[in-house]
Amino acid sequence: NAGVMQNPRHLVRRRGQEARLRCSPMKGHSHVYWYRQLPEEGLKFMVYLQKENIIDESGMPKERFSAEFPKEGPSILRIQQVVRGDSAAYFCASLNHPTDTQYFGPGTRLTVL
Amino acid sequence: KQEVTQIPAALSVPEGENLVLNCSFTDSAIYNLQWFRQDPGKGLTSLLLIQSSQREQTSGRLNASLDKSSGRSTLYIAASQPGDSATYLCAVAQVGGSEKLVFGKGTKLTVNP
Repeated sequence: NAGVMQNPRHLVRRRGQEARLRCSPMKGHSHVYWYRQLPEEGLKFMVYLQKENIIDESGMPKERFSAEFPKEGPSILRIQQVVRGDSAAYFCASLNHPTDTQYFGPGTRLTVL
Repeated sequence: KQEVTQIPAALSVPEGENLVLNCSFTDSAIYNLQWFRQDPGKGLTSLLLIQSSQREQTSGRLNASLDKSSGRSTLYIAASQPGDSATYLCAVAQVGGSEKLVFGKGTKLTVNP
C-alpha cells in the first residue's frame, strides 16, 4: 500500500507565477489535510477536504490560495500570483477517519524567486 | 485558541542517555495527541498516537504519556542512538475543529556518538 504521495517534491516559481501542488492520498483514504511549514515555524493547518467538498478552509489565506479534491484524481493546492512569502514546505496528510492517525506525504518545497 | 508548546527547543545528549521531551497544550478538548519525527528536508513520520481516553503508548524504545487534564504529554526515549537525531513534533487533534492538527514548534534532538 503506497503511502501519501506529493509532487513535485521541489518547485521553483518566479513572483507572479502560479504554483500547483498535488497530493495523492493513501488508498482508501477520503480525507485530506494541507499544512504549511514556514522557515523556522511550526506546521500550520490550511484546509481540510473530503472528496468533492471543502470542509474547513479556516487556515487558508483569503486571496490567491485555493484547494480542491475531485472525485477522481489527486487533491490540488493552487497558489496564484506567488510572492516570496509563499516560500515554504507544503505537506498533505490523509486518513480514513478524522480521529485516526494522519499519514503525511514527503512535502513540496516551494521556492519563490 | 489551542496552543501547543514544546520544551526544550533543542537538546543535545551523548549516545546511550535516556531523555524526555515535553509538550503542553492549552485546551484539553482533544481527540488525540500524536508525536512525529521530522528529519531535515523530509516529511513527518508518525511515532505514537495517544487517544484522549488513554494514558500512554509504547513502541520499542519510545514511550509517550498523556495527562489531558493538565494539558501535558511527554515522550521518553530510552538508550538514545545517533539515528534518533531529528526534530520531534507534538500535535493535538482538536475537538470541534475539524480534527485538524495543531503543532508545536518541535524539539531538535542531537544524539552525539
